[in-house]
Amino acid sequence: DAGVIQSPRHEVTEMGQEVTLRCKPISGHDYLFWYRQTMMRGLELLIYFNNNVPIDDSGMPEDRFSAKMPNASFSTLKIQPSEPRDSAVYFCASTRFGEAFFGQGTRLTVV
Amino acid sequence: DAKTTQPPSMDCAEGRAANLPCNHSTISGNEYVYWYRQIHSQGPQYIIHGLKNNETNEMASLIITEDRKSSTLILPHATLRDTAVYYCIAGPGGATNKLIFGTGTLLAVQP
Repeated sequence: DAGVIQSPRHEVTEMGQEVTLRCKPISGHDYLFWYRQTMMRGLELLIYFNNNVPIDDSGMPEDRFSAKMPNASFSTLKIQPSEPRDSAVYFCASTRFGEAFFGQGTRLTVV
Repeated sequence: DAKTTQPPSMDCAEGRAANLPCNHSTISGNEYVYWYRQIHSQGPQYIIHGLKNNETNEMASLIITEDRKSSTLILPHATLRDTAVYYCIAGPGGATNKLIFGTGTLLAVQP
């Protein structure tokens, strides 16, 4: 298996634009997590899914953020409209038995 | 999830054992201790986890005190590539562990 795959690896966008981050979890994993990492706040859990259903989205910072998991092999995290303070590295992770596997992350820069 | 406390940084000489402590004095009976590490610019990587018995795998050993209030991650022969931030997390076992990351310990392996 190729592991958790995230795209794009880097994204630079202008303030106000919509940004969509993508994640393909490891096949057979039934939990998927989205994290955000910044120097100031460290690694923050944004939302996680079980069997494609959102379980806990209490970490989503505000209504500009939304996440979907239309099927077991794909998830998106959308920011609309984006703001400079959203600049961060966004990680996706999947797990089945407790050992989480993380993707390489998407480095988002909002200018 | 129980709170964990780790030293912010540690040094270790290359080839020597690195012993990383973690305090989790409020851990409950059904909570596991997980260790992850994050090498610069990469996603976190699972190392090891345990409930109350000591555990060993190809990467590291985990020593949990009898009262389970603290643990130590041991890298038996540290290399320069082990330089990373190491996170100790206490949480429920299985895939339901949300993995709430703290600030971790920055381990610097010196040549």
